[in-house]
Amino acid sequence: QVQLQQWGAGLLKPSETLSLTCAVNGGSFSGYYWSWIRQPPGKGLEWIGEIHHSGGTKYNPSLKSRVTISVDTSKNQFSLKLRSVTAADTAVYYCANFGYCGGDCPQTSPYNWFDPWGQGTLVTVSS
Amino acid sequence: QSVLTQPPAVSGAPGQRVTISCTGSSSNIGAGYDVHWYQQLPGTAPKLLIYGNNNRPSGVPDRFSGSKSGTSASLAISGLQAEDEADYYCQSFDSSLSGSVFGGGTKLTVL
Repeated sequence: QVQLQQWGAGLLKPSETLSLTCAVNGGSFSGYYWSWIRQPPGKGLEWIGEIHHSGGTKYNPSLKSRVTISVDTSKNQFSLKLRSVTAADTAVYYCANFGYCGGDCPQTSPYNWFDPWGQGTLVTVSS
Repeated sequence: QSVLTQPPAVSGAPGQRVTISCTGSSSNIGAGYDVHWYQQLPGTAPKLLIYGNNNRPSGVPDRFSGSKSGTSASLAISGLQAEDEADYYCQSFDSSLSGSVFGGGTKLTVL
Protein backbone atom coordinates (compact mmCIF):
# COMPACT_ATOMS: atom_id res chain seq x y z
CA GLN A 1 0.00 0.00 0.00
CA VAL A 2 1.60 3.24 -1.17
CA GLN A 3 1.90 5.97 1.44
CA LEU A 4 3.05 9.54 0.83
CA GLN A 5 4.92 11.51 3.48
CA GLN A 6 5.57 15.19 2.80
CA TRP A 7 7.54 17.93 4.50
CA GLY A 8 8.87 21.45 4.02
CA ALA A 9 9.02 24.94 5.46
CA GLY A 10 5.70 26.19 6.75
CA LEU A 11 6.34 29.93 7.04
CA LEU A 12 7.73 32.08 4.26
CA LYS A 13 8.16 35.77 3.57
CA PRO A 14 6.91 37.35 0.35
CA SER A 15 9.31 36.84 -2.60
CA GLU A 16 10.86 33.70 -1.07
CA THR A 17 10.76 30.24 -2.65
CA LEU A 18 8.40 27.55 -1.36
CA SER A 19 10.06 24.14 -1.23
CA LEU A 20 8.28 20.88 -0.38
CA THR A 21 9.29 17.24 -0.74
CA CYS A 22 7.15 14.10 -0.84
CA ALA A 23 8.48 10.61 -0.15
CA VAL A 24 6.81 7.54 -1.64
CA ASN A 25 6.83 4.58 0.72
CA GLY A 26 5.57 1.03 0.44
CA GLY A 27 5.05 0.83 -3.29
CA SER A 28 6.50 1.34 -6.71
CA PHE A 29 7.80 4.74 -7.81
CA SER A 30 8.62 3.89 -11.39
CA GLY A 31 6.01 4.34 -14.07
CA TYR A 32 3.78 6.65 -12.09
CA TYR A 33 2.78 10.29 -12.24
CA TRP A 34 3.34 12.31 -9.06
CA SER A 35 1.33 15.47 -8.46
CA TRP A 36 0.98 18.56 -6.31
CA ILE A 37 -2.35 20.15 -5.41
CA ARG A 38 -3.06 23.06 -3.07
CA GLN A 39 -6.01 24.32 -1.03
CA PRO A 40 -6.15 27.89 0.29
CA PRO A 41 -7.71 28.17 3.75
CA GLY A 42 -11.46 27.66 3.54
CA LYS A 43 -11.37 27.24 -0.23
CA GLY A 44 -11.33 24.52 -2.85
CA LEU A 45 -8.63 22.44 -4.50
CA GLU A 46 -6.27 23.75 -7.19
CA TRP A 47 -4.13 21.51 -9.39
CA ILE A 48 -0.50 22.68 -9.50
CA GLY A 49 1.11 20.10 -11.74
CA GLU A 50 2.69 16.67 -12.03
CA ILE A 51 5.80 14.82 -13.07
CA HIS A 52 6.21 11.35 -14.51
CA HIS A 53 8.95 9.33 -12.86
CA SER A 54 10.85 9.55 -16.17
CA GLY A 55 10.95 13.34 -15.78
CA GLY A 56 8.22 14.74 -18.02
CA THR A 57 6.21 17.54 -16.39
CA LYS A 58 2.89 19.35 -16.81
CA TYR A 59 2.02 22.53 -14.93
CA ASN A 60 -1.09 24.62 -14.37
CA PRO A 61 -0.70 27.54 -16.81
CA SER A 62 -1.58 30.01 -14.05
CA LEU A 63 1.49 28.91 -12.05
CA LYS A 64 3.79 27.66 -14.79
CA SER A 65 6.17 30.64 -14.73
CA ARG A 66 6.95 30.09 -11.02
CA VAL A 67 6.73 26.31 -10.56
CA THR A 68 9.24 23.52 -10.85
CA ILE A 69 8.45 19.90 -9.99
CA SER A 70 11.40 17.52 -9.90
CA VAL A 71 11.98 13.86 -9.09
CA ASP A 72 14.75 11.97 -7.30
CA THR A 73 14.34 8.36 -8.37
CA SER A 74 17.22 7.20 -6.16
CA LYS A 75 15.22 8.25 -3.08
CA ASN A 76 11.66 7.66 -4.38
CA GLN A 77 10.94 11.32 -3.75
CA PHE A 78 9.55 14.23 -5.71
CA SER A 79 9.64 17.93 -4.92
CA LEU A 80 7.83 21.20 -5.52
CA LYS A 81 9.41 24.62 -5.80
CA LEU A 82 7.28 27.76 -6.14
CA ARG A 83 9.22 30.97 -6.60
CA SER A 84 8.37 34.54 -5.64
CA VAL A 85 5.54 33.61 -3.28
CA THR A 86 2.92 36.10 -2.12
CA ALA A 87 0.12 35.93 0.43
CA ALA A 88 -2.08 34.46 -2.31
CA ASP A 89 0.09 31.32 -2.20
CA THR A 90 -0.87 30.62 1.41
CA ALA A 91 -2.47 27.19 1.33
CA VAL A 92 -2.28 23.58 2.41
CA TYR A 93 -0.16 21.81 -0.20
CA TYR A 94 -0.77 18.14 -0.94
CA CYS A 95 1.27 15.61 -2.87
CA ALA A 96 -0.56 12.75 -4.57
CA ASN A 97 -0.17 9.78 -6.88
CA PHE A 98 -1.73 10.41 -10.29
CA GLY A 99 -1.72 6.93 -11.73
CA TYR A 100 0.45 4.75 -13.92
CA CYS A 101 1.83 5.08 -17.42
CA GLY A 102 4.34 2.68 -18.86
CA GLY A 103 6.21 3.09 -22.13
CA ASP A 104 5.91 6.31 -24.10
CA CYS A 105 3.99 8.53 -21.71
CA PRO A 106 2.50 12.00 -22.33
CA GLN A 107 3.21 14.90 -19.97
CA THR A 108 -0.06 14.16 -18.21
CA SER A 109 -3.00 11.81 -18.50
CA PRO A 110 -6.60 12.84 -19.18
CA TYR A 111 -7.89 9.64 -17.60
CA ASN A 112 -6.27 9.48 -14.18
CA TRP A 113 -7.26 10.40 -10.65
CA PHE A 114 -5.39 11.35 -7.47
CA ASP A 115 -4.89 8.50 -5.02
CA PRO A 116 -3.45 8.36 -2.46
CA TRP A 117 -2.71 11.81 -1.04
CA GLY A 118 -0.07 13.00 1.37
CA GLN A 119 -1.07 14.40 4.73
CA GLY A 120 -0.77 18.02 3.60
CA THR A 121 1.56 20.86 4.61
CA LEU A 122 0.27 24.29 5.56
CA VAL A 123 2.44 26.98 4.02
CA THR A 124 1.84 30.52 5.22
CA VAL A 125 3.29 33.52 3.42
CA SER A 126 3.50 36.57 5.64
CA SER A 127 5.85 39.46 6.19
CA GLN B 1 -14.10 30.60 -10.09
CA SER B 2 -13.81 26.84 -10.57
CA VAL B 3 -13.98 25.26 -14.02
CA LEU B 4 -16.40 22.65 -12.66
CA THR B 5 -19.47 23.97 -10.82
CA GLN B 6 -20.82 22.36 -7.67
CA PRO B 7 -23.49 23.56 -5.25
CA PRO B 8 -21.80 25.10 -2.20
CA ALA B 9 -23.86 23.09 0.24
CA VAL B 10 -26.38 20.28 0.52
CA SER B 11 -28.01 18.69 3.52
CA GLY B 12 -30.10 15.71 4.47
CA ALA B 13 -31.38 13.77 7.45
CA PRO B 14 -29.88 10.46 8.52
CA GLY B 15 -31.08 7.66 6.27
CA GLN B 16 -32.03 9.98 3.42
CA ARG B 17 -30.49 10.18 -0.05
CA VAL B 18 -28.71 13.26 -1.36
CA THR B 19 -27.10 14.09 -4.67
CA ILE B 20 -24.30 16.50 -5.49
CA SER B 21 -24.01 17.81 -9.02
CA CYS B 22 -20.87 18.72 -10.94
CA THR B 23 -21.41 20.78 -14.09
CA GLY B 24 -18.72 21.27 -16.68
CA SER B 25 -18.47 22.16 -20.35
CA SER B 26 -17.53 20.85 -23.78
CA SER B 27 -13.82 21.07 -22.94
CA ASN B 28 -14.01 18.75 -19.94
CA ILE B 29 -16.93 16.52 -18.91
CA GLY B 30 -18.77 17.15 -22.17
CA ALA B 31 -15.69 16.08 -24.13
CA GLY B 32 -16.00 12.63 -22.62
CA TYR B 33 -13.39 12.85 -19.90
CA ASP B 34 -14.06 10.85 -16.78
CA VAL B 35 -15.20 12.40 -13.50
CA HIS B 36 -13.74 11.43 -10.14
CA TRP B 37 -15.00 12.31 -6.68
CA TYR B 38 -13.19 12.95 -3.41
CA GLN B 39 -14.37 13.15 0.20
CA GLN B 40 -12.57 15.51 2.56
CA LEU B 41 -13.35 15.07 6.24
CA PRO B 42 -12.61 18.09 8.45
CA GLY B 43 -8.89 18.67 8.90
CA THR B 44 -7.82 15.79 6.68
CA ALA B 45 -6.55 15.24 3.16
CA PRO B 46 -9.03 14.42 0.41
CA LYS B 47 -9.74 10.74 -0.14
CA LEU B 48 -10.75 9.12 -3.43
CA LEU B 49 -14.42 8.17 -3.32
CA ILE B 50 -15.39 7.43 -6.94
CA TYR B 51 -13.16 7.02 -9.99
CA GLY B 52 -13.99 6.70 -13.64
CA ASN B 53 -17.49 8.17 -13.20
CA ASN B 54 -19.01 5.28 -11.28
CA ASN B 55 -16.37 3.01 -9.77
CA ARG B 56 -15.77 2.65 -6.04
CA PRO B 57 -12.30 1.91 -4.66
CA SER B 58 -12.02 -0.99 -2.26
CA GLY B 59 -13.40 -0.02 1.13
CA VAL B 60 -15.85 2.64 -0.05
CA PRO B 61 -19.41 1.66 0.93
CA ASP B 62 -21.90 0.99 -1.85
CA ARG B 63 -24.02 3.81 -0.42
CA PHE B 64 -21.85 6.05 -2.61
CA SER B 65 -22.46 6.03 -6.35
CA GLY B 66 -21.56 8.19 -9.31
CA SER B 67 -23.04 8.93 -12.71
CA LYS B 68 -22.29 11.09 -15.71
CA SER B 69 -24.39 12.46 -18.55
CA GLY B 70 -23.54 15.10 -21.11
CA THR B 71 -21.66 17.96 -19.49
CA SER B 72 -22.57 16.98 -15.91
CA ALA B 73 -21.91 14.34 -13.31
CA SER B 74 -23.51 13.48 -10.00
CA LEU B 75 -22.54 11.87 -6.74
CA ALA B 76 -25.33 10.14 -4.84
CA ILE B 77 -25.15 9.19 -1.20
CA SER B 78 -27.93 6.98 0.11
CA GLY B 79 -28.66 5.99 3.71
CA LEU B 80 -26.98 9.15 5.01
CA GLN B 81 -24.91 8.72 8.12
CA ALA B 82 -23.42 11.32 10.47
CA GLU B 83 -19.92 10.25 9.39
CA ASP B 84 -20.70 11.35 5.81
CA GLU B 85 -20.57 14.98 6.89
CA ALA B 86 -17.67 16.33 4.83
CA ASP B 87 -16.68 18.35 1.79
CA TYR B 88 -17.01 16.63 -1.58
CA TYR B 89 -15.06 17.55 -4.74
CA CYS B 90 -15.38 16.46 -8.35
CA GLN B 91 -12.36 16.33 -10.68
CA SER B 92 -11.92 15.88 -14.41
CA PHE B 93 -9.55 16.77 -17.24
CA ASP B 94 -9.89 19.97 -19.24
CA SER B 95 -8.52 20.13 -22.78
CA SER B 96 -8.24 23.93 -22.75
CA LEU B 97 -6.12 23.85 -19.59
CA SER B 98 -4.53 20.58 -20.65
CA GLY B 99 -4.65 19.50 -17.04
CA SER B 100 -6.82 18.49 -14.12
CA VAL B 101 -9.66 20.67 -12.89
CA PHE B 102 -11.71 20.51 -9.70
CA GLY B 103 -15.14 21.62 -8.68
CA GLY B 104 -15.41 24.26 -5.98
CA GLY B 105 -16.54 21.70 -3.44
CA THR B 106 -19.83 20.93 -1.73
CA LYS B 107 -20.28 20.86 2.02
CA LEU B 108 -22.61 18.08 3.11
CA THR B 109 -24.41 18.58 6.39
CA VAL B 110 -26.21 15.67 8.03
CA LEU B 111 -29.10 17.19 9.96
